[in-house]
Amino acid sequence: AQSVTQPDIHITVSEGASLELRCNYSYGATPYLFWYVQSPGQGLQLLLKYFSGDTLVQGIKGFEAEFKRSQSSFNLRKPSVHWSDAAEYFCAVSGYGGAQKLVFGQGTRLTINP
Amino acid sequence: EADIYQTPRYLVIGTGKKITLECSQTMGHDKMYWYQQDPGMELHLIHYSYGVNSTEKGDLSSESTVSRIRTEHFPLTLESARPSHTSQYLCASSVMGGAGSDTQYFGPGTRLTVL
Repeated sequence: AQSVTQPDIHITVSEGASLELRCNYSYGATPYLFWYVQSPGQGLQLLLKYFSGDTLVQGIKGFEAEFKRSQSSFNLRKPSVHWSDAAEYFCAVSGYGGAQKLVFGQGTRLTINP
Repeated sequence: EADIYQTPRYLVIGTGKKITLECSQTMGHDKMYWYQQDPGMELHLIHYSYGVNSTEKGDLSSESTVSRIRTEHFPLTLESARPSHTSQYLCASSVMGGAGSDTQYFGPGTRLTVL
C-alpha cells in the first residue's frame, strides 16, 4: 500500500532564508508525486507534481522539488521564503491507473519569522 | 486555476440534523472525491466517483453518503449529524485518462461543526 511520511510536523524559518521540506514515500512501482499547499481555512493548491522525466520539477511560487528514487524522497525546496509562504504543506503519492487515489502525508506547518 | 466550488464554507448545526454539503465543478472532470480533514491532520479519502451514477467508498469509513447524478455535481449528505462529524470536508476533481488524470484540484472546503 502507498504511504507518505513527512518527518517534520512544524518548521520555522526566517524570511529570506532557504527552505527544504522533507517527504518520503512508499510505493511498489513508479509513483506520481505531488506537493500541495493549504493556507488557513482554505482548500489545497497544487504547487508541483512529478510524473516522469526530469527529476527536478519546478512549480508555482518559486518552489521546486527533486525526485530521488534511491532515497524514496521528494523534497520541496525554495531558495528564499516570503512571509506569505506560511502555510501547511502536504506531500502526496498516487499510483498509476485504477482509482489513482491520492495518499497524503500528515503535513508540515511552516512558520515564517520576520 | 481550478473551478471547483463548495457550499457552505462554514456550517454550525445541532446534533441530529440532516445536512448536505455541496460540491460543483465546471471543468467537466469525470472523477470527483471527498476528503475529510481534522485540524492539523492529513486528508483522508471518504468517497470518490468515476462518473455519473458511480460512487465508491474511500479509505476512511464514513457515515456520510454521496450521489453523482450530474457530472458537475457531487453532494455529500449526513442523515443525522453528530459531534464526531465535526471536521473539514474537502471536495476535489480530476480528469479521466492520460497523465492529467492524476492531478486533483481542490475546492475551498466546508468546515462543519456539530454541537
